[in-house]
Amino acid sequence: AQKITQTQPGMFVQEKEAVTLDCTYDTSDPSYGLFWYKQPSSGEMIFLIYQGSYDQQNATEGRYSLNFQKARKSANLVISASQLGDSAMYFCAMRVVSGGGADGLTFGKGTHLIIQP
Amino acid sequence: AAGVIQSPRHLIKEKRETATLKCYPIPRHDTVYWYQQGPGQDPQFLISFYEKMQSDKGSIPDRFSAQQFSDYHSELNMSSLELGDSALYFCASSLGTSFSYNEQFFGPGTRLTVL
Repeated sequence: AQKITQTQPGMFVQEKEAVTLDCTYDTSDPSYGLFWYKQPSSGEMIFLIYQGSYDQQNATEGRYSLNFQKARKSANLVISASQLGDSAMYFCAMRVVSGGGADGLTFGKGTHLIIQP
Repeated sequence: AAGVIQSPRHLIKEKRETATLKCYPIPRHDTVYWYQQGPGQDPQFLISFYEKMQSDKGSIPDRFSAQQFSDYHSELNMSSLELGDSALYFCASSLGTSFSYNEQFFGPGTRLTVL
């Protein structure tokens, strides 16, 4: 079974600062994918970034980057130059791909990020 | 671009009633996933379908059933509703399931309230 741990229930960050959201994971499968989703107060789930377990480089998508440290089983999300619109709940999630089927995502408990002006 | 469509967006039911949620995946997507997100909780995986066959099963109660139809849309049927079933139900779709990354595109969700 897989497990995702997000240790920061809530964070307050000043606008324009960089922010790091922590995520650690646990799995015995060698092949897996790590995802970050943003959920604003409106409720939709917005995909941000993906990292595969065999990827050699850290993933980046615009202002988002994923600090992947495989030996430590961590996949922290870094948001550079935070904006007021970044205020939302952020979920780290994992999918194991060894089963060959449509495995569902396992989510962490989330971090509620609030950007202050 | 077309997105995942879920209907209805909001649903209010009484205890012990039944409910049916519908999901229309992105065109050409052959895989559908269902998730349940309780108030203040993280999403929990319920069940998935690939090419109209059940593929993976998560924490779906026995009172719930689901299927994927020939046009790839999916329905989640919920019977004997309980207060604890009140949640946001997401459907997600993807293209394929294989040993590689395939992003799950989430729909806007159906908010079910059981009174």
